[in-house]
Amino acid sequence: AQSVTQLGSHVSVSEGALVLLRCNYSSSVPPYLFWYVQYPNQGLQLLLKYTSAATLVKGINGFEAEFKKSETSFHLTKPSAHMSDAAEYFCAVSEWTGNQFYFGTGTSLTVIP
Amino acid sequence: GAVVSQHPSRVICKSGTSVKIECRSLDFQATTMFWYRQFPKKSLMLMATSNEGSKATYEQGVEKDKFLINHASLTLSTLTVTSAHPEDSSFYICSAPTILMGPPEAFFGQGTRLTVV
Repeated sequence: AQSVTQLGSHVSVSEGALVLLRCNYSSSVPPYLFWYVQYPNQGLQLLLKYTSAATLVKGINGFEAEFKKSETSFHLTKPSAHMSDAAEYFCAVSEWTGNQFYFGTGTSLTVIP
Repeated sequence: GAVVSQHPSRVICKSGTSVKIECRSLDFQATTMFWYRQFPKKSLMLMATSNEGSKATYEQGVEKDKFLINHASLTLSTLTVTSAHPEDSSFYICSAPTILMGPPEAFFGQGTRLTVV
């Protein structure tokens, strides 16, 4: 069985500060890992995905995530937060068929001016 | 990337009526679609997996007769909320996975805000 844990349902950072959103997964097989962002009253937009190529994955809007197998983690980072980054972020895991995606409980990011 | 279109984006209906939400994959075929419900400040709750040409698979606790799902073609799945009540008010999101462009990825519709009055 696969599952995703996002530590911290709410994260607040100052504008310009480092953003770190945590995601740990459990999977019996090598997974595919994703980060999605959701703005109010909208669907989910893919930020980045890990597909067993490079362990450091770069996504849109300056975000990146590093796959660490030894820690079963896939934390999302951004060096400098922008006001427009305020949103809900979801980590997800899928097996290779893509027939099931498992989402974390989400982390709400607040950016303080 | 692939596009999933969900319609309507917002609907208000009277208690006791039914509402249909459509989810279309615009540039790829989706044999599987997922329907989620999202409560305020909460994560996505998978309601059911829609399979083209066969019955949907519902998650435990989801009423099949309340939330009717039809996946009649490879590009369209519909969710009908029957005899809607205020407690059905929520944000509903559909998603279609695809592996056509490499590793699997889930593409999401824009979501439907349902308000039952």
